[in-house]
Order: sequence, then structure tokens, then C-alpha cells
Amino acid sequence: GENVEQHPSTLSVQEGDSAVIKCTYSDSASNYFPWYKQELGKGPQLIIDIRSNVGEKKDQRIAVTLNKTAKHFSLHITETQPEDSAVYFCAASDYSSASKIIFGSGTRLSIRP
Amino acid sequence: KAGVTQTPRYLIKTRGQQVTLSCSPISGHRSVSWYQQTPGQGLQFLFEYFSETQRNKGNFPGRFSGRQFSNSRSEMNVSTLELGDSALYLCASSPSGEDTQYFGPGTRLTVL
Repeated sequence: GENVEQHPSTLSVQEGDSAVIKCTYSDSASNYFPWYKQELGKGPQLIIDIRSNVGEKKDQRIAVTLNKTAKHFSLHITETQPEDSAVYFCAASDYSSASKIIFGSGTRLSIRP
Repeated sequence: KAGVTQTPRYLIKTRGQQVTLSCSPISGHRSVSWYQQTPGQGLQFLFEYFSETQRNKGNFPGRFSGRQFSNSRSEMNVSTLELGDSALYLCASSPSGEDTQYFGPGTRLTVL
């Protein structure tokens, strides 16, 4: 079955700097890769997603890149702000069923003022 | 549109009791999935309901069950609670299940 590894588990960056979180997956059938942000006391919120026919996608300060050959995808946050502090989860799915979505173990991102 | 809502937000139970959690999906969404989130195991899929039928089930014991009503609202039940059932239980909805999951705020269950 699918396995998703996420690194690092914790990340601390200076406000204004960039943050990068990386994930690798094992199932070559996976073709949908969402990223979720979870703040304290809340459920995960989708922040960006990418499908396998796209190599990169941007939404303001957030970007995701996908390398299908190497089976890895990354989240890039530029010009980090205090409100970016949260736990971030990557996930991989073959988009056929909710049961097939496998989540990474999460990255706790802290933004230092 | 209103987001996914879950009730109650917090629950404290003792071992051996049973509990029912409720989830109202985003209007128009027919698929509801349930997840268990713990520090040690992360996010784990429990089951998915679509049009009142359980469509998929994760690797959890039979003490965990659920159902979905005709208005797509879903309930999850855990019987004979164990200490290890303490977790954040998340509900997510999507239009058909074959697309993006939108999560609710979760129900924090503590078993004493």
C-alpha cells in the first residue's frame, strides 16, 4: 500500500524567511497530493493541492512542486508570517476513494519573530 | 457555504462506556469520512459513507461503527471504550469521495 514520509518533523524559521517541507510517496498510482494546515484546536484545512499532470502550482506565498519520477513533492512558503505557525500535513491519493488518502506524519512549523 | 460541523467538540468518558459523535457535512456533499488523530499514529482513516452506505473501512476493530442519514449527516459510535481510544476524531466531507476532503474541527474524546 501507499506510504508517505514527511520531513522535517519540526521546523523553525525567522519571520520573513522561506520554509520548505518535503514528502515522498511509494505508490506510483498516486496522482493527487493535497497539503493541509492544522492550527491548534482546529481540524486540518486544505491550503493547496496538486495533481500529477502538473509540476508546480502557486497560490500567493504558497507553492507546491511535484516530481513524479522521484516520487516526491514539496511545500514552499515564502515571506513567512507568524500566522503560518501550525502543523502541516502532506497526503497522497490515487483520487479514487477517501480511504486511499494517506497522510504524512506532519511538520510543526514555528515562525520566530 | 457553512463548513463541516461536528458535535460535541469535547467529551470525557470512562472505560467501558460508549459514545456517539455527530458530523454535518458541507451542503451538497454526499461523502462523509471519519478519521482518528493521535500523536503517535497520526491521521488514520476509519470509514467512509456515501448515500447512506459504508463504502470503505479502515483497519479498526468492530467497536467502531457509523452510519449516514438521508440528509448526509453522519454519526460515529464507539462501544466499550478503551483508554487508547482517546483521540481527536475528525470528520471530512467531499462531493463524491473521489476528490478533496474538507475537515471539520473535530471532537476531542478523552477516556479515563
